[in-house]
Amino acid sequence: AQKVTQAQTEISVVEKEDVTLDCVYETRDTTYYLFWYKQPPSGELVFLIRRNSFDEQNEISGRYSWNFQKSTSSFNFTITASQVVDSAVYFCALSEYIMEYGNKLVFGAGTILRVKS
Amino acid sequence: DAGVTQSPTHLIKTRGQQVTLRCSPKSGHDTVSWYQQALGQGPQFIFQYYEEEERQRGNFPDRFSGHQFPNYSSELNVNALLLGDSALYLCASSWGPQETQYFGPGTRLLVL
Repeated sequence: AQKVTQAQTEISVVEKEDVTLDCVYETRDTTYYLFWYKQPPSGELVFLIRRNSFDEQNEISGRYSWNFQKSTSSFNFTITASQVVDSAVYFCALSEYIMEYGNKLVFGAGTILRVKS
Repeated sequence: DAGVTQSPTHLIKTRGQQVTLRCSPKSGHDTVSWYQQALGQGPQFIFQYYEEEERQRGNFPDRFSGHQFPNYSSELNVNALLLGDSALYLCASSWGPQETQYFGPGTRLLVL
């Protein structure tokens, strides 16, 4: 069975600090996708990144970066120079690639990030 | 370019009642997935619709049913509501069942 663990329930940082959100996943499949979503207080999940299991290259997008390591089944997310607007709940998610069955996302419990000015 | 829209935004029902939630996918998307998010938890997959058929289902009872229309919009129906059905119901759409899912703002359901 698939499982996503986000061990950090809540993180508080001061503005401009760097912060890393951890994500560890379990799957028996060789082909899968990993995602990060942001959920601000409004409730809507905002897509941040999708990574497939064959692409272990780290990715950087502005202040955001992601570190994917298959050897440790981890897909960690780092925010550099955090800002108050980064305050939200962040979810890591996993999906199998089963063509005939579609794409079911399995989410972690989420990490609450509070950035204080 | 309109994103995923859901209606209503909030809903209050009593135990035993039935509820219908609606979702319009993002322009160009043909696949709709539904998730239930209880307070303080991650979203849980309910089911996914593609080509007007239920393609995959999560661990939810038959009280939860859905439908997809020819214009790709979708409805989620919940019968015989329980207090535990109180949650944020999220709809997500994608361009095909395997592609990235984009979420709507959700419908907050409170069952009293």
